[in-house]
Amino acid sequence: AQSVTQLDSHVSVSEGTPVLLRCNYSSSYSPSLFWYVQHPNKGLQLLLKYTSAATLVKGINGFEAEFKKSETSFHLTKPSAHMSDAAEYFCVVSDHKRRYGNKLVFGAGTILRVKS
Amino acid sequence: NAGVMQNPRHLVRRRGQEARLRCSPMKGHSHVYWYRQLPEEGLKFMVYLQKENIIDESGMPKERFSAEFPKEGPSILRIQQVVRGDSAAYFCASSPPQDSSFYTFGSGTRLTVV
Repeated sequence: AQSVTQLDSHVSVSEGTPVLLRCNYSSSYSPSLFWYVQHPNKGLQLLLKYTSAATLVKGINGFEAEFKKSETSFHLTKPSAHMSDAAEYFCVVSDHKRRYGNKLVFGAGTILRVKS
Repeated sequence: NAGVMQNPRHLVRRRGQEARLRCSPMKGHSHVYWYRQLPEEGLKFMVYLQKENIIDESGMPKERFSAEFPKEGPSILRIQQVVRGDSAAYFCASSPPQDSSFYTFGSGTRLTVV
């Protein structure tokens, strides 16, 4: 079965400093991996996804993530945090039990706080 | 393209009442998924539907919860005799048939049971 562990429930950084949100996954299949962001009382926005192409994936708003199979990790990074990055971030794995309609398995989330 | 539309955005129900949550998928998307987000938790899969068919309901509670996606109209998630523990954000997502990794989420319905 697929599972996702987000190693930090809260991360606090200063504006302009790097962001690192850690994620480890477990998957019986070749996984598809995603990062979503959720601002307070808002819906989910896809930041980026990995689907077995390049291991370094670039997303929106300057975020990127690297798929490391040997470490079963998919950490999210950004070189320089902005105040608008403050939100909750979810690491997600998709199972591939079916050809279509595979469900997403979410991590518990990491709340990112950006200090001015 | 209006995206995935969910309504209402907020819903308040008294214990024992019924809650109906609606989801209109993106144009061209024939696959609909419902997820629930309890307070302080990540989203949990509930059910996956195609038009007129429930494909996977492995995440649905055994009682009081049902879902449908009729040939015409939106997908409906129905919760009968709501209890306080049903208070959560319910998110709908849709995907096209040829790429189930291409999920688009709606803004969610926040259900509060009082």
